[in-house]
Amino acid sequence: DQQVKQNSPSLSVQEGRISILNCDYTNSMFDYFLWYKKYPAEGPTFLISISSIKDKNEDGRFTVFLNKSAKHLSLHIVPSQPGDSAVYFCAAYNNRKLIWGLGTSLAVNP
Amino acid sequence: DAEITQSPRHKITETGRQVTLACHQTWNHNNMFWYRQDLGHGLRLIHYSYGVQDTNKGEVSDGYSVSRSNTEDLPLTLESAASSQTSVYFCASSESSGGTDTQYFGPGTRLTVL
Repeated sequence: DQQVKQNSPSLSVQEGRISILNCDYTNSMFDYFLWYKKYPAEGPTFLISISSIKDKNEDGRFTVFLNKSAKHLSLHIVPSQPGDSAVYFCAAYNNRKLIWGLGTSLAVNP
Repeated sequence: DAEITQSPRHKITETGRQVTLACHQTWNHNNMFWYRQDLGHGLRLIHYSYGVQDTNKGEVSDGYSVSRSNTEDLPLTLESAASSQTSVYFCASSESSGGTDTQYFGPGTRLTVL
């Protein structure tokens, strides 16, 4: 059973607009979360992370929000650019190992 | 620049053959991981190591083995390749194992078992 869920397999956004990617988790013991981006034929690359002691973390155009009571994360990309088109994975640490979502494929249209 | 490399990038083999996928990192990281990525399953952990001579099984370890004789390398061996092991394999490394580390990934190896 998926402990980290990304319920939208794909998302399409216009260039310049906001992209919002969502992630839900089932285990309230998860306390550190990461987002990775993956281009075709490449390995995942780290994007941004958040600890459960925070509810928001920003890095340039990327912001991650954490709602612990809802067990929900979201990644906001503002403004979206065509180069952001990739698959985005949400992951959570459990017992020193990463548990991964299935990914959301983002397409940013010019 | 420090990096993590995988070889080969593509491999086609036959059922029953032994196959070894190489992973080499120059980050001097203690921790190394092997994942496989399949449609509908995301990334699943095969084996991992927290240091030289340390190896541990992940959630999908059957049919795979690893050994860690130095810091830089964690080769993944498929003892007798099966068609169910057709997948894309990623190696990753991280500095420590406190449960907040960023893992850095190699470019992947696409393995096809005929």
